[in-house]
Amino acid sequence: GAGVSQSPSNKVTEKGKDVELRCDPISGHTALYWYRQRLGQGLEFLIYFQGNSAPDKSGLPSDRFSAERTGESVSTLTIQRTQQEDSAVYLCASSSGTLLTDTQYFGPGTRLTVL
Amino acid sequence: AQKVTQAQTEISVVEKEDVTLDCVYETRDTTYYLFWYKQPPSGELVFLIRRNSFDEQNEISGRYSWNFQKSTSSFNFTITASQVVDSAVYFCALSEASYGQNFVFGPGTRLSVLP
Repeated sequence: GAGVSQSPSNKVTEKGKDVELRCDPISGHTALYWYRQRLGQGLEFLIYFQGNSAPDKSGLPSDRFSAERTGESVSTLTIQRTQQEDSAVYLCASSSGTLLTDTQYFGPGTRLTVL
Repeated sequence: AQKVTQAQTEISVVEKEDVTLDCVYETRDTTYYLFWYKQPPSGELVFLIRRNSFDEQNEISGRYSWNFQKSTSSFNFTITASQVVDSAVYFCALSEASYGQNFVFGPGTRLSVLP
């Protein structure tokens, strides 16, 4: 596809369950980012991949959060033992360059609701 | 540390009015990048502009214009002759070129353009 895609678009889960969120970046984009946006709030940076390595994991809120990326392709963000405070929209973005400040193009997000 | 402030939480204007969205940033780096993104009700983030710290030229793109002033650490965004379709949340963001990869977003300004 032409843009960044994310799946699922909506996910409702029970507290304590694990969830996996998927991001398909724009083909050829080397950099991939995950962000979280809680209701009515701004964006929080979670993690950044350059290729399949993650030089910056500083934003991951706890050890329940992890992410991986296969080559310069799909990434999955996993949240273990979900908590209600994890409810948010999780946004993925990709960019084409190796420069850290290249423009990021965002996917539509996954809305996670933890009951 | 880097920080982005968007003091206006919500703005309402009537169609055809001009509106300016404020963005004030903090950084210790001399090289950095500033961005504006639009998030319409559909949720997807749309890139609007990137400006690097060495280029203080104002930019105009159709009804949009940006005023970058390093002296006041501001990067304000003006929409001329606003339209209902401009209704969205607008985010200002900062990335420090020398600082790993950590995009910092402002909290966003919700713009409502009334018919």
